[in-house]
Amino acid sequence: GESVGLHLPTLSVQEGDNSIINCAYSNSASDYFIWYKQESGKGPQFIIDIRSNMDKRQGQRVTVLLNKTVKHLSLQIAATQPGDSAVYFCAENRDRYKLIFGSGTRLLVRP
Amino acid sequence: GAVVSQHPSWVICKSGTSVKIECRSLDFQATTMFWYRQFPKQSLMLMATSNEGSKATYEQGVEKDKFLINHASLTLSTLTVTSAHPEDSSFYICSAGGRQGAPDEQFFGPGTRLTVL
Repeated sequence: GESVGLHLPTLSVQEGDNSIINCAYSNSASDYFIWYKQESGKGPQFIIDIRSNMDKRQGQRVTVLLNKTVKHLSLQIAATQPGDSAVYFCAENRDRYKLIFGSGTRLLVRP
Repeated sequence: GAVVSQHPSWVICKSGTSVKIECRSLDFQATTMFWYRQFPKQSLMLMATSNEGSKATYEQGVEKDKFLINHASLTLSTLTVTSAHPEDSSFYICSAGGRQGAPDEQFFGPGTRLTVL
């Protein structure tokens, strides 16, 4: 069935380095994508979103890239900090409100 | 703005009992609320979508008679896990959508940890 998935289950980076978290989606009709950060025992926290009419969107220290040709989404975090350690999920907005979450990537930041 | 709360934050109950979880949008009216379940080290799985004043729409494989959802007002939705069993132990997360000016966004609650003994 259609799904949103991630390539890497765990990513370990050195503090100060840039992080790149990837996500593949299979529904070519999806037009809205969101990245969430989830810390242990908490609900998902919105990071950044992008619509399908864009290839790139930047926020504070974060950039989301969308490649519709290969149905790939990535989240780039610049100058990764210890507070960035969490699980990151991409989500695909389907049927207007319905969100389909990817499997998640755990980001570990080494001091 | 766009704060969503859940109560309780954690609950422990005996097998066979029912547990009610509340989800509130504190500073906006949510026309739609969603309930997710998350098992350890897994992703969020949508259980059901509820619109204020109407019956919830359940995802495939989710028993509507076991997971009762009520969305009686634009700021409150409840999830009742009936006759809970240990396999229902999970992290239940709600989200609220339909905020004016942000129709596509969902705002998530902090989650409720349910442990069934």
